Amino acid sequence: EDKVVQSPLSLVVHEGDTVTLNCSYEVTNFRSLLWYKQEKKAPTFLFMLTSSGIEKKSGRLSSILDKKELFSILNITATQTGDSAVYLCAVGASGTYKYIFGTGTRLKVLA
Amino acid sequence: DTAVSQTPKYLVTQMGNDKSIKCEQNLGHDTMYWYKQDSKKFLKIMFSYNNKELIINETVPNRFSPKSPDKAHLNLHINSLELGDSAVYFCASSQDPPYSNQPQHFGDGTRLSIL
Repeated sequence: EDKVVQSPLSLVVHEGDTVTLNCSYEVTNFRSLLWYKQEKKAPTFLFMLTSSGIEKKSGRLSSILDKKELFSILNITATQTGDSAVYLCAVGASGTYKYIFGTGTRLKVLA
Repeated sequence: DTAVSQTPKYLVTQMGNDKSIKCEQNLGHDTMYWYKQDSKKFLKIMFSYNNKELIINETVPNRFSPKSPDKAHLNLHINSLELGDSAVYFCASSQDPPYSNQPQHFGDGTRLSIL
């Protein structure tokens, strides 16, 4: 059965710290991996990764995919209180419409 | 301007009632989804429609019935509501997901509370 596992489940850090969130997957015919940030309402799209080893970067956030070891990491440097959210990882498979979501990592950044 | 909009945002009702949630997207996407998010924030796919055709129908009680009058709308009707139906329901849309690498866009969710 296809599955996506995120770790840690929750994390508390102080402003200025760097965090690394993990997403591992077992999905038949992998097509893409997506990261979302969910604060109070809708998950908002951060990155889509399809190729191994190519880092995607947006400001203090970056992400990379390892298709051999079947995982991705999301890094956040110089964290701010506004980074507090649940970070969701989802994986899509070729030829299907389904995205499988992980359980999320709840990040809290303390001032 | 809202890309994916759901109504209502909040729904409080009693067990046994029937209720509907509406979703509309103005992104021109051809695929729409309903997800259920539990209190632990786990997003579970319920249904998906592509160009008004049902393509994903996960193990969901048949009290839940989706309807897509056109590709910009996907509504969810729930009969005989139960306590376990309490959750946040998210609508999402994307473009041709099996063949393109486009992300899903989510609505703000409908928080359903069953008394």
